Amino acid sequence: EIVLTQSPATLALSPGDTATLSCRASQSVSGYLTWYQQKPGQAPRLLIYDASSRATGIPARFSGSGSGTDFTLTISSLEPEDFAVYYCQLRTNWPRMYTFGQGTKLEIK
Amino acid sequence: QVQLQQWGAGLLKPSETLSLICAVYGGSFSDHYWTWIRQPPGKGPEWIGEVNHSGATYYYNPSLKSRVTISVDTSKNQFSLKMTSVTAADTAVYYCTSRPGISSPSDSWGQGTLVTVSS
Repeated sequence: EIVLTQSPATLALSPGDTATLSCRASQSVSGYLTWYQQKPGQAPRLLIYDASSRATGIPARFSGSGSGTDFTLTISSLEPEDFAVYYCQLRTNWPRMYTFGQGTKLEIK
Repeated sequence: QVQLQQWGAGLLKPSETLSLICAVYGGSFSDHYWTWIRQPPGKGPEWIGEVNHSGATYYYNPSLKSRVTISVDTSKNQFSLKMTSVTAADTAVYYCTSRPGISSPSDSWGQGTLVTVSS
């Protein structure tokens, strides 16, 4: 079973800063890596899929990168509405399984 | 994107069966994969399983497989989750989601249903 480890657990930054969130897989994986944003009391919102493709309507300040075991979500010029919890998710095909990381909480400094 | 609305019992006793329904609006029921994901309080999400639009292809989380059934009702544009023999560990917010293609991520989510298991 592949384990996703997100770091840091909490990241405190100010509006206008750049956030770099990490997601590391316990073994090399294909590019089916997805990033979600979740605000309190809301369902997760799709941000990035296939490691680096932005979902429809997602601002360009959100970008994803990485391959193999190391993936990164970068949020440039943080806006107040960006402070939330971010989860990475991996899909494997054999067996079909979706695994989430434990999340990174992005909070206002 | 489709719109999803879900409902079901929110309070269960241990050993009872969890039953949730998700209705699909505003889009085609075909060519989608319909999934259920849950999130225990204060924790990250956990994938429960998914089914294709016809119900012929389904996948379940191995840790839950023995207790879970996901099915579709194409006549009503709905899909459902049943989980038997619930315990307190099954207390979570349950979400239905849709994936518009075999390689697509979940891009539409229901509003979530808090299911509490308590005696």
